[in-house]
Amino acid sequence: AQSVTQLDSQVPVFEEAPVELRCNYSSSVSVYLFWYVQYPNQGLQLLLKYLSGSTLVKGINGFEAEFNKSQTSFHLRKPSVHISDTAEYFCAVSEGDSSYKLIFGSGTRLLVRP
Amino acid sequence: KAGVTQTPRYLIKTRGQQVTLSCSPISGHRSVSWYQQTPGQGLQFLFEYFSETQRNKGNFPGRFSGRQFSNSRSEMNVSTLELGDSALYLCASSLGGTWDEQYFGPGTRLTVT
Repeated sequence: AQSVTQLDSQVPVFEEAPVELRCNYSSSVSVYLFWYVQYPNQGLQLLLKYLSGSTLVKGINGFEAEFNKSQTSFHLRKPSVHISDTAEYFCAVSEGDSSYKLIFGSGTRLLVRP
Repeated sequence: KAGVTQTPRYLIKTRGQQVTLSCSPISGHRSVSWYQQTPGQGLQFLFEYFSETQRNKGNFPGRFSGRQFSNSRSEMNVSTLELGDSALYLCASSLGGTWDEQYFGPGTRLTVT
């Protein structure tokens, strides 16, 4: 069975510093990988996705992620964060070509301090 | 283009009652998925509908059910509510392909007392 692990429940960082949010997955078949962001009292917004091809994926708001198949990881990075990036970030996986559901990690709260 | 809308946004129910939540997808989207979000269990997949057919189902008891109408609008129903059903219920719509982006609504906050 597939699963997604986000080891860091909260990541505090100062404004303009770089940040990395970690995500590891387990699956016996090929997967599609996603990062979503959730602001307070809102739904989820897609930041970026990996389907195939280049392992470095660029998304919205200056975020990027790198797919590493050997380490089964899909870490999210941003070189310089803003106060407005404070939110909950979720990594998710969709398994194979016949799955229409997302399996989410437990989320990482990014707290950007001035 | 209007986003995914969910009604109502907030709901308070008593144990044992039943509840129906509604989701209107983005125009042209034929797939609607439902997720439950709780502090303890996180985001969990409930079910997904495409063209009025349930294509996938999560591991929830039979008290949780859903349906989709010909205009792609979807409803989910929870019968015999339990305290543990208190959660944010999120609906997402997409064109329906495996890799199509899912657009999420703001959710319905259900509180069971």
